[in-house]
Amino acid sequence: AQKITQTQPGMFVQEKEAVTLDCTYDTSDQSYGLFWYKQPSSGEMIFLIYQGSYDEQNATEGRYSLNFQKARKSANLVISASQLGDSAMYFCAMRPDDMRFGAGTRLTVKP
Amino acid sequence: ETGVTQTPRHLVMGMTNKKSLKCEQHLGHNAMYWYKQSAKKPLELMFVYNFKEQTENNSVPSRFSPECPNSSHLFLHLHTLQPEDSALYLCASSQGTGVYEQYFGPGTRLTVT
Repeated sequence: AQKITQTQPGMFVQEKEAVTLDCTYDTSDQSYGLFWYKQPSSGEMIFLIYQGSYDEQNATEGRYSLNFQKARKSANLVISASQLGDSAMYFCAMRPDDMRFGAGTRLTVKP
Repeated sequence: ETGVTQTPRHLVMGMTNKKSLKCEQHLGHNAMYWYKQSAKKPLELMFVYNFKEQTENNSVPSRFSPECPNSSHLFLHLHTLQPEDSALYLCASSQGTGVYEQYFGPGTRLTVT
């Protein structure tokens, strides 16, 4: 069975600084995908970034990068140069089968 | 319209009412999903449709009835709900049911009185 763990219920970061949101996973599958989503207070889940289990390089998407450590089964999200609009819930998720989501981390960016 | 749309955005209903939630995707995807998001709980997958066929029903009570007339539209019919069914209901779509990212709609915030 797949399991996703996000151990940080809440995080604070100063505007313009970088922040790392932790995610660990457990699966017996060899082929899988890891995803990060952002959920602002409006409720919509916004897809941010994807990492495939066979990808050798860490995924990057603008200010988002995924620190993928396969042996440690971790897929941490790094947000560089934080902005006030980054304040939201962030969810780590994985598939191949059902998309399983972690409990989320609430990020607050301080001015 | 682009992406995934959901209507209504907010819904208040009594326990004896019947209502429907609508989802439409404009992405040309083949798979569509219903999720329930309750306060302080992880997202719960409810139903999965792939090419209009239901492929997953995660032990959802029969008071929730999905319908997928085509690959672009998904409905969730609600009847005789309970107060604990109050939640944010999110619709999503993806290219397929493999390792593809899902794109979500804005959700319907449901309150059962």
